[in-house]
Amino acid sequence: ETGVTQTPRHLVMGMTNKKSLKCEQHLGHNAMYWYKQSAKKPLELMFVYNFKEQTENNSVPSRFSPECPNSSHLFLHLHTLQPEDSALYLCASSQNRDSGRIYEQYFGPGTRLTVT
Amino acid sequence: AQKVTQAQTEISVVEKEDVTLDCVYETRDTTYYLFWYKQPPSGELVFLIRRNSFDEQNEISGRYSWNFQKSTSSFNFTITASQVVDSAVYFCALSDQAGTALIFGKGTTLSVSS
Repeated sequence: ETGVTQTPRHLVMGMTNKKSLKCEQHLGHNAMYWYKQSAKKPLELMFVYNFKEQTENNSVPSRFSPECPNSSHLFLHLHTLQPEDSALYLCASSQNRDSGRIYEQYFGPGTRLTVT
Repeated sequence: AQKVTQAQTEISVVEKEDVTLDCVYETRDTTYYLFWYKQPPSGELVFLIRRNSFDEQNEISGRYSWNFQKSTSSFNFTITASQVVDSAVYFCALSDQAGTALIFGKGTTLSVSS
């Protein structure tokens, strides 16, 4: 089984819809992340969860709502999105950060979101 | 503020050529980590290497090699004898000691033709 999976791979939604993106990691990691990748912009960190606790919210609009029910699953709930929210949304996981050591992040294949 | 600059937006080479992807970083931290990721057309970022700021040894892994130089704040990536399968977007990233976030460069698109 691949390390980090994301569903759906593609999503088209209207501005009034509500949808959720799902991420699951099979690596035994305790930290999970959501990133946004837009055309011509660097990857932007959105949220970080460490041991199911949200530790970072990088000034993300409230129309994006994360949920981390356990250390293996991460959701991104979407509602009343704007066309400029169209992007590739990437989930990643890593071992939890302990003192003096930073671990690499492993990424899923992403969800290509189009907001019409 | 932390910043990663990948000045090369696109590079095109012919198979078997060597190619170097540049990465320059800015940080005020004394302890930090640098990464390279590959993003093939499928979209998934693939981890290639991690290097911490105290380890300036260059590393070679098959056709890949990395040159870390703190004096010039650079962490360059060389692919020797490139292959078509190397075609992808390559990202350099920086993490501070707290590991709060990875700061990514804008990426370099490498196209290798046969």
